[in-house]
Amino acid sequence: GQNIDQPTEMTATEGAIVQINCTYQTSGFNGLFWYQQHAGEAPTFLSYNVLDGLEEKGRFSSFLSRSKGYSYLLLKELQMKDSASYLCAVIDSNYQLIWGAGTKLIIKP
Amino acid sequence: EAGVVQSPRYKIIEKKQPVAFWCNPISGHNTLYWYLQNLGQGPELLIRYENEEAVDDSQLPKDRFSAERLKGVDSTLKIQPAELGDSAVYLCASSLGGGTHADTQYFGPGTRLTVL
Repeated sequence: GQNIDQPTEMTATEGAIVQINCTYQTSGFNGLFWYQQHAGEAPTFLSYNVLDGLEEKGRFSSFLSRSKGYSYLLLKELQMKDSASYLCAVIDSNYQLIWGAGTKLIIKP
Repeated sequence: EAGVVQSPRYKIIEKKQPVAFWCNPISGHNTLYWYLQNLGQGPELLIRYENEEAVDDSQLPKDRFSAERLKGVDSTLKIQPAELGDSAVYLCASSLGGGTHADTQYFGPGTRLTVL
């Protein structure tokens, strides 16, 4: 079966750096998305990786290793507004999007 | 540019009653998705449309759920009759489409359904 694993919850301090990991086992791979979802709101697009390596976008970076079936989202200079769930999703060989359950990130002052 | 629009935002009904949700995708987006999301879980695909054609409805419980996208633009998702376990957030998303490439999905605000 297809599976995406993320930690259920993480806690970090305002101003710090946090890394949210995602491992996947899917039938084929055509890219990986990270979405942010604030409580009671819709998911919003953060990043897309299809090649190995690091993609940087402001305070957020996303890394992919296809050989390891692994990705992480790196958030720097954490702000209170970064408190949200972060969803990892993989496009499989049928171009279907397989979603993880999300990681709830709690930011403390 | 307007994003994905959904209505209503909230709906409370009694079990066995019907309910309908409406979605208007981003202009020019050919692909439309309906998802169900439970608290603490990722979205679960119910149905995907390419224009007016339902290309993936394998996860749609067809005994009680139905959907339509008659003119290939806005869409309606219906549940009849609703059950207690249908309480969830129903998300609509759209993307440019094509089906053979990575396609970023943009989500509407969702409809939070409570079945009593």
